[in-house]
Amino acid sequence: DSGVTQTPKHLITATGQRVTLRCSPRSGDLSVYWYQQSLDQGLQFLIHYYNGEERAKGNILERFSAQQFPDLHSELNLSSLELGDSALYFCASSPTAGYTEAFFGQGTRLTVV
Amino acid sequence: DQQVKQNSPSLSVQEGRISILNCDYTNSMFDYFLWYKKYPAEGPTFLISISSIKDKNEDGRFTVFLNKSAKHLSLHIVPSQPGDSAVYFCAASPNTGNQFYFGTGTSLTVIP
Repeated sequence: DSGVTQTPKHLITATGQRVTLRCSPRSGDLSVYWYQQSLDQGLQFLIHYYNGEERAKGNILERFSAQQFPDLHSELNLSSLELGDSALYFCASSPTAGYTEAFFGQGTRLTVV
Repeated sequence: DQQVKQNSPSLSVQEGRISILNCDYTNSMFDYFLWYKKYPAEGPTFLISISSIKDKNEDGRFTVFLNKSAKHLSLHIVPSQPGDSAVYFCAASPNTGNQFYFGTGTSLTVIP
């Protein structure tokens, strides 16, 4: 158990809909990262928050947004969903903003039908 | 553009022998490198890391080697055990340290 909690574990939704994925980082970790893993792909970096502030953005679509709240949990919002958004979405946390390993949650499997 | 590449999708090794997993990167700004192990239905688990000021880091049966001039790193597992069977991802971070770029993974099977 990494200490990172992601909910829900599975999500099935229709095209055009909006969903919210939630991540609770390890106790004491200030950084939260979001990654997307599509079929047969590596993990693609989406976004990084540190202590409530956005620190880095990767290949995140404009239809996607994220935030980190004062209690340090984070939410990833995916809107106008398309079939191609079906993927595993991982959250990871680390104590600092860089040069340290990140600890991953078990992921949320999103299926868009 | 895949900045971190793992060109071997799979690898099979006999128990007790050495497993060598390879990773290449293209971005010379990367200066922190990690290996993660992933079992099905679980998130990646951190294994070992190395910074660019070193060329080798060991942790028990796991050793990571970094060749900066060749932009290449490798993970050695000695001796390999059946429980090591998993997908292994290498990852790299630029000197801002704010994001990790992952390879596509190598599936290791250790045969008893």
